[in-house]
Amino acid sequence: AQSVAQPEDQVNVAEGNPLTVKCTYSVSGNPYLFWYVQYPNRGLQFLLKYITGDNLVKGSYGFEAEFNKSQTSFHLKKPSALVSDSALYFCAVRDPHNTDKLIFGTGTRLQVFP
Amino acid sequence: DTGVSQNPRHKITKRGQNVTFRCDPISEHNRLYWYRQTLGQGPEFLTYFQNEAQLEKSRLLSDRFSAERPKGSFSTLEIQRTEQGDSAMYLCASSLSLAGARTEAFFGQGTRLTVV
Repeated sequence: AQSVAQPEDQVNVAEGNPLTVKCTYSVSGNPYLFWYVQYPNRGLQFLLKYITGDNLVKGSYGFEAEFNKSQTSFHLKKPSALVSDSALYFCAVRDPHNTDKLIFGTGTRLQVFP
Repeated sequence: DTGVSQNPRHKITKRGQNVTFRCDPISEHNRLYWYRQTLGQGPEFLTYFQNEAQLEKSRLLSDRFSAERPKGSFSTLEIQRTEQGDSAMYLCASSLSLAGARTEAFFGQGTRLTVV
């Protein structure tokens, strides 16, 4: 069964510092991995995805993620955090079968302090 | 096109009442998904449509839940005889999947259901 794990419920970082939000996955076959962000009272917004190709994927708002097959990880990163990045971040894996449904982690709340 | 639209945004209902939510996907998207998100959890898959055909339903979707997508456009999710455990955010998403073209899923803002 496909699954993702987000080991940190919350990550705190000072504005201007680099941030990392961790995600590990368990899939059979090639992983299709995604990061979404959720602001209060909003739906999920797509940030980036890894399908194939370069292990470093660049996405929206200056975020990037590094796919590491040996460590089965897909950590989200940003070189310099902004207060406005404070939100709930979800890692997800796509079911490789016909449905393309997403299987989400439990989420990590990112708090960026000024 | 302004993205995936869900109505209503909020719904408060008494236990035992029926409720219906609507989702309007991005117009050219052929796939539509319903997810449920409870506090402190990630979204959980409920059901999926390819055009007008409902092709998969999660075990989370009890007999009290029914979803439709007539004509392959908008979709409705109905919950009959609501229970307090149904209180959650209901998210709709759509995507395009054709030979040679595949997009990520785009989500609506959700409908927050509170059963009192």
